[in-house]
Amino acid sequence: QQQVKQSPQSLIVQKGGIPIINCAYENTAFDYFPWYQQFPGKGPALLIAIRPDVSEKKEGRFTISFNKSAKQFSLHIMDSQPGDSATYFCAASRGSARQLTFGSGTQLTVLP
Amino acid sequence: NAGVTQTPKFRILKIGQSMTLQCTQDMNHNYMYWYRQDPGMGLKLIYYSVGAGITDKGEVPNGYNVSRSTTEDFPLRLELAAPSQTSVYFCASSLRSFPEAFFGQGTRLTVV
Repeated sequence: QQQVKQSPQSLIVQKGGIPIINCAYENTAFDYFPWYQQFPGKGPALLIAIRPDVSEKKEGRFTISFNKSAKQFSLHIMDSQPGDSATYFCAASRGSARQLTFGSGTQLTVLP
Repeated sequence: NAGVTQTPKFRILKIGQSMTLQCTQDMNHNYMYWYRQDPGMGLKLIYYSVGAGITDKGEVPNGYNVSRSTTEDFPLRLELAAPSQTSVYFCASSLRSFPEAFFGQGTRLTVV
């Protein structure tokens, strides 16, 4: 019940396109859902996060959509740029120690 | 602030050797974590700590040990290195009151 499933594994879009990355979770005790962005040779960095009492959150060009009943959430990147090319991880956390359970990652390539 | 600092950045170990991966943070964060990242697998939690003197196992603790004698430092010990421990290791920290986790740059370990 600790799994977070992420798709697709890789994604290629043209500049200006809107890549969408999807995640699904099983454990309803998760109460915080962040997305992390990772560039090669770097550690993951928090991009945007949402709590399950909110259905959508926007920060700049990044939007999380959250469907509590379906136990799914997704990341949309508006007007994608080549600089957005990176690996994106969804995650979920619960409990007092806030341990993160990560999805398997999506390698995004934005073509110029 | 340097954030989360990990040393070394790269290391090659022979089977059966031991080593300690160092992690220190200067943000006065209560919580610290060790994750390993294998290709296509996302990040898996090895150990975590909610404060000095308190540690607990994560999802994949076998073959590792940790200690937390100070708020700042959270070293990860590999006692008898095995090829299965070839991975990229990330240390992270967060505040008790805020769930965002900050990651170090990682240590790439190869066991041959």
